[in-house]
Amino acid sequence: DIQMTQSPSAMSASVGDRVTITCRASQGISNYLAWFQQKPGKAPRRLIYAASSLQSGVPSRFSGSGSGTEFTLTISSLQPEDFATYFCLQHNSYPPTFGQGTKLEIK
Amino acid sequence: QVQLVQSGSELKKPGASVKVSCKASGHTFSRHSMNWVRQAPGQGLEWMGWINTNTGDPTYAQGFTGRFVFSLDTSVTTAYLQINSLKAEDTAVYYCASPSFGENQFGMDAWGQGTTVTVSS
Repeated sequence: DIQMTQSPSAMSASVGDRVTITCRASQGISNYLAWFQQKPGKAPRRLIYAASSLQSGVPSRFSGSGSGTEFTLTISSLQPEDFATYFCLQHNSYPPTFGQGTKLEIK
Repeated sequence: QVQLVQSGSELKKPGASVKVSCKASGHTFSRHSMNWVRQAPGQGLEWMGWINTNTGDPTYAQGFTGRFVFSLDTSVTTAYLQINSLKAEDTAVYYCASPSFGENQFGMDAWGQGTTVTVSS
């Protein structure tokens, strides 16, 4: 199975900060990488697909980059509603695997 | 717009069975696979497997064979997850998730709202 190592596992930041979260795949996955946001008690919401494509309706402060084994999610200017947990998902190889999550908290 | 609506929370005793439903609308049901994902309390997301909504063939991830059953009722565009011989460690939120058109079967664009299954005596 492909291991998705996400970092950091938790972080604190302030409104207006620029934040970067990384996912590293144990082997190449092309661009079959998605990013999700999850708030407590809610289902995951996809933000980014195909590594860098913004899901419809998602604010442009979210962006994704990378290919192969190294991927990043960037939030350019944190807003209060962005404090949540973020997960990556690789779906290039069977079985699909998630990163362990990054909990983003208010500083 | 694709919408997946799941059945409500369940409280079951150990050894019982539960059947979770996931009704799809807004797309052609048979053209979009259905994945099932588990989230134990305070934990991350774990892929359980998927069902081919065209053929009805299920595939189970390692650790989800034997007691877990995926099925379909195409007449009502609904997928089901049944868990038999429930254990306390099955306590979790269960999600269905479906790819968008053109993605491979493991893309997870649309998600159900989740069904909480609690197993307790």
